[in-house]
Amino acid sequence: DSGVTQTPKHLITATGQRVTLRCSPRSGDLSVYWYQQSLDQGLQFLIQYYNGEERAKGNILERFSAQQFPDLHSELNLSSLELGDSALYFCASSEPPADEQFFGPGTRLTVL
Amino acid sequence: AQSVAQPEDQVNVAEGNPLTVKCTYSVSGNPYLFWYVQYPNRGLQFLLKYITGDNLVKGSYGFEAEFNKSQTSFHLKKPSALVSDSALYFCAVRDGRTYKYIFGTGTRLKVLA
Repeated sequence: DSGVTQTPKHLITATGQRVTLRCSPRSGDLSVYWYQQSLDQGLQFLIQYYNGEERAKGNILERFSAQQFPDLHSELNLSSLELGDSALYFCASSEPPADEQFFGPGTRLTVL
Repeated sequence: AQSVAQPEDQVNVAEGNPLTVKCTYSVSGNPYLFWYVQYPNRGLQFLLKYITGDNLVKGSYGFEAEFNKSQTSFHLKKPSALVSDSALYFCAVRDGRTYKYIFGTGTRLKVLA
């Protein structure tokens, strides 16, 4: 158990809908990262937050947004969902400067 | 352009033999380099990292990796493979300037009994 929790575990929704994925980092970790893992795209870095502020941005679509709250939990919002958004979404957390990331179990999103 | 390459989709090795999983990278600034392992239906687990210092880094479960600046490589090694090492291995790098993380496409390691 990495100490990172993600909810929900599974999510099934329809095209055009909006969903919110939630992540609670390990106790004491200030950084939160979001990743998308799909069969054809591999593991894609989406975005990183550090203590509430956006720190780095990867291949995150404009339809996706994220935020980190004062209690350090984070949410990833996915809107206008398309079939291609079906993937495993991972959250990870770390405490600089070590920067090794601890990954949650992931949320499997299925868009029908 | 920033990139991480894991040239082998799969590596097969006999139990007890040494294993190597290859990784090369291209980023700006001084990179932070990582190896992670993913078991089926699980999140990634940290194995080891290189930030600075000794080029040979030791990590979890007997794994080690060698940082080679001139070849921009960070190959993962283990002297004696176990069947339980069979998993998907990811090389990752943090760009020294942008803080972006780039993961390789993963190498599936299969250790044969």
